[in-house]
Amino acid sequence: DTAVSQTPKYLVTQMGNDKSIKCEQNLGHDTMYWYKQDSKKFLKIMFSYNNKELIINETVPNRFSPKSPDKAHLNLHINSLELGDSAVYFCASSLSGGIGTQYFGPGTRLTVL
Amino acid sequence: AQTVTQSQPEMSVQEAETVTLSCTYDTSESDYYLFWYKQPPSRQMILVIRQEAYKQQNATENRFSVNFQKAAKSFSLKISDSQLGDAAMYFCASRGDTGTASKLTFGTGTRLQVTL
Repeated sequence: DTAVSQTPKYLVTQMGNDKSIKCEQNLGHDTMYWYKQDSKKFLKIMFSYNNKELIINETVPNRFSPKSPDKAHLNLHINSLELGDSAVYFCASSLSGGIGTQYFGPGTRLTVL
Repeated sequence: AQTVTQSQPEMSVQEAETVTLSCTYDTSESDYYLFWYKQPPSRQMILVIRQEAYKQQNATENRFSVNFQKAAKSFSLKISDSQLGDAAMYFCASRGDTGTASKLTFGTGTRLQVTL
């Protein structure tokens, strides 16, 4: 039943480690996004894929690498984690035409120690 | 480029009363869309209401309605008959039509408290 799901919901790790967050949507959407919400609750786009093609790549350190194996999945891999990477990461999906309302996953709270 | 401004960091309303949350935006897009999302303590981002900028009629969803003033670039959210479950962070957002403009640009949010 879940429309946009993310795993894991919580991630606690040490500085310098590599971690991945997975996202899946069953809404039949063709576009997926990663957003970062910082400690002040500000939400900012990181990446977007349309039909497995990267269309948005904001100013994000190249330690962050998204991968979209198919239209229903978008994963985020983070190398050499830093303290400043601690945040909530949201996956979202939408159709590319018209109003294209974005539906969000539950978020992954990443804590880097 | 798009910017969204929410000038009220916090608002409070009594149960059953009406409250209006403010939002202004700026965009270079000719076609764009506006949204209000709610984020309760569970942190889930929930769509509240949406508006196509080319439509003059204000969107309404049950107790939620917007006052869309295109010339003034204003998109305020009115919550009628407020309920305890309305307590949350509310984010105003805009997006352009396609490609790189399809990202949501968010305001800084308004925390709404609902009191008895």
